[in-house]
Amino acid sequence: GQSLEQPSEVTAVEGAIVQINCTYQTSGFYGLSWYQQHDGGAPTFLSYNALDGLEETGRFSSFLSRSDSYGYLLLQELQMKDSASYFCAVRSNDYKLSFGAGTTVTVRA
Amino acid sequence: ETGVTQSPTHLIKTRGQQVTLRCSSQSGHNTVSWYQQALGQGPQFIFQYYREEENGRGNFPPRFSGLQFPNYSSELNVNALELDDSALYLCASSLLSVANYGYTFGSGTRLTVV
Repeated sequence: GQSLEQPSEVTAVEGAIVQINCTYQTSGFYGLSWYQQHDGGAPTFLSYNALDGLEETGRFSSFLSRSDSYGYLLLQELQMKDSASYFCAVRSNDYKLSFGAGTTVTVRA
Repeated sequence: ETGVTQSPTHLIKTRGQQVTLRCSSQSGHNTVSWYQQALGQGPQFIFQYYREEENGRGNFPPRFSGLQFPNYSSELNVNALELDDSALYLCASSLLSVANYGYTFGSGTRLTVV
């Protein structure tokens, strides 16, 4: 089966940088994704890492180390609209997408 | 692109009843998956359909079943509803051949079982 661990909450001020770590245990790892969800709405795809290294998409970057079963999402230049829940999700080669319990990010003025 | 739409948005059912939730996939997407999200938790994978065939299933009992139609729309059926089935049900579509495996989610159906 799959299990993912990520912090439950993070609080930071506008303009700051936040890193959300995710460790996972899975069989048949295919890739690590990150999703953002505002107040129980639709999760929105942010990024995907299949290979080790850093992927940068605007203010958001995601990193993966397959040997450490570890990844992180980096949120830069935090804005109030970034207050949301962030989920890491592992895609395994049996077509399942397994989500972590989510990290609630609160951005303060 | 019209995105993923789900219906209904909210639903209240009685324990023991059956429910059907519907999902219209994003145009061009051939894969649809369904998730159950309890309050304060991450989405839990129920199953996935690719070209009308189930090709992946999570740890959900057989009373959770689904269909995918030729136009790639989909249904989730739940029989013999239990109180613990109360949750947000999310549908997501994707194009299986796309390398980044990004899924487009709908806004979900909030199911309450009383």
